[in-house]
Amino acid sequence: GDSVTQMEGPVTLSEEAFLTINCTYTATGYPSLFWYVQYPGEGLQLLLKATKADDKGSNKGFEATYRKETTSFHLEKGSVQVSDSAVYFCALSVAGNTPLVFGKGTRLSVIA
Amino acid sequence: SQTIHQWPATLVQPVGSPLSLECTVEGTSNPNLYWYRQAAGRGLQLLFYSVGIGQISSEVPQNLSASRPQDRQFILSSKKLLLSDSGFYLCAGEGQSGNTIYFGEGSWLTVV
Repeated sequence: GDSVTQMEGPVTLSEEAFLTINCTYTATGYPSLFWYVQYPGEGLQLLLKATKADDKGSNKGFEATYRKETTSFHLEKGSVQVSDSAVYFCALSVAGNTPLVFGKGTRLSVIA
Repeated sequence: SQTIHQWPATLVQPVGSPLSLECTVEGTSNPNLYWYRQAAGRGLQLLFYSVGIGQISSEVPQNLSASRPQDRQFILSSKKLLLSDSGFYLCAGEGQSGNTIYFGEGSWLTVV
């Protein structure tokens, strides 16, 4: 079946450090890939997405590139801020009426 | 743009009592709708999804049920809550514009 594996947290970084959160997937079809962010006590917000190989999704300084050859969609940010502290979820969706499949989430804490 | 509303935001219910969480969608018609649960410190578990009025698919056996009485309304219910039903419940919707899913703000349920 379809699945998403993302790195275990928590991840603790100092402000302005470089961030990478790894995400790999397995899918029976050709998936679209997503990163969602959940700030403390809130629902999930779409952070970025990519729908085909080599696409790069970007938003708020975060980037992720759809790598079909390595089945990966790693999230990166060059300089994190305290306000980036949240839980990040990688997810995929295969075309059709199929729900998103989520990874288990990675908690990021950024300290000043 | 698509907006998901869900309520109540928080509730504390005794074991054995009934539950009703409501979710409505604005900004799209005939959306796919989803209920997810997020237990403390864990990832997202898909509970139910619906592709249309009266059409409900259940992903896991449990004492919860879902109904879709109107196109943009999705209700999560239980006749008798268990302690293990405690968690953060998220409603999500996917509109016709693509395969991006948007989430509501979530409902915190504590069963005591």
